[in-house]
Amino acid sequence: AQRVTQPEKLLSVFKGAPVELKCNYSYSGSPELFWYVQYSRQRLQLLLRHISRESIKGFTADLNKGETSFHLKKPFAQEEDSAMYYCALSGPNSGGSNYKLTFGKGTLLTVNP
Amino acid sequence: EAQVTQNPRYLITVTGKKLTVTCSQNMNHEYMSWYRQDPGLGLRQIYYSMNVEVTDKGDVPEGYKVSRKEKRNFPLILESPSPNQTSLYFCASRSWDTEAFFGQGTRLTVV
Repeated sequence: AQRVTQPEKLLSVFKGAPVELKCNYSYSGSPELFWYVQYSRQRLQLLLRHISRESIKGFTADLNKGETSFHLKKPFAQEEDSAMYYCALSGPNSGGSNYKLTFGKGTLLTVNP
Repeated sequence: EAQVTQNPRYLITVTGKKLTVTCSQNMNHEYMSWYRQDPGLGLRQIYYSMNVEVTDKGDVPEGYKVSRKEKRNFPLILESPSPNQTSLYFCASRSWDTEAFFGQGTRLTVV
């Protein structure tokens, strides 16, 4: 069965400090990995998709198939980065649908001034 | 503007009173799904639909129904709501080559 694990429920850093949100996954095959962000009282929106290899709002994430990880990183955190972050996975073995997203439980990031 | 629209945004209802939460997308996506979001549990899929008239259960389907009569619409039906269905609900749509787009969410309280 596929699974996404985000080991930290809460993460608090100071403005300007580096931040890393961890994501590990369990999947048989080649998954597609995503990071979604949810700002307070707003809808989820895509932050990163591993196949695009882009840097969005200063965030990057590298898929490490050996360690089955997709950690999200930013060298200098900003107060506006405070939000809930979800790691998600989809792929051909996604419970009958290639499109299904399996989410981790999320990490609430707080960036303090 | 590409979007997924849910209604209502907030709903308070009583146990056993049938309700429907609507979801509509304007991107011609084949795939639509419903999730519930609960503190400490993240997002869990309720039902999904691969296309018109094709629906299937997700991870937590008990107590919910869906229909997909048109490609753009995917309503979530609670025939007899119970307090354990108090939650924040999100509809999402995607195509094979896109990320998932989410609605604004519906906060449901069942008393």
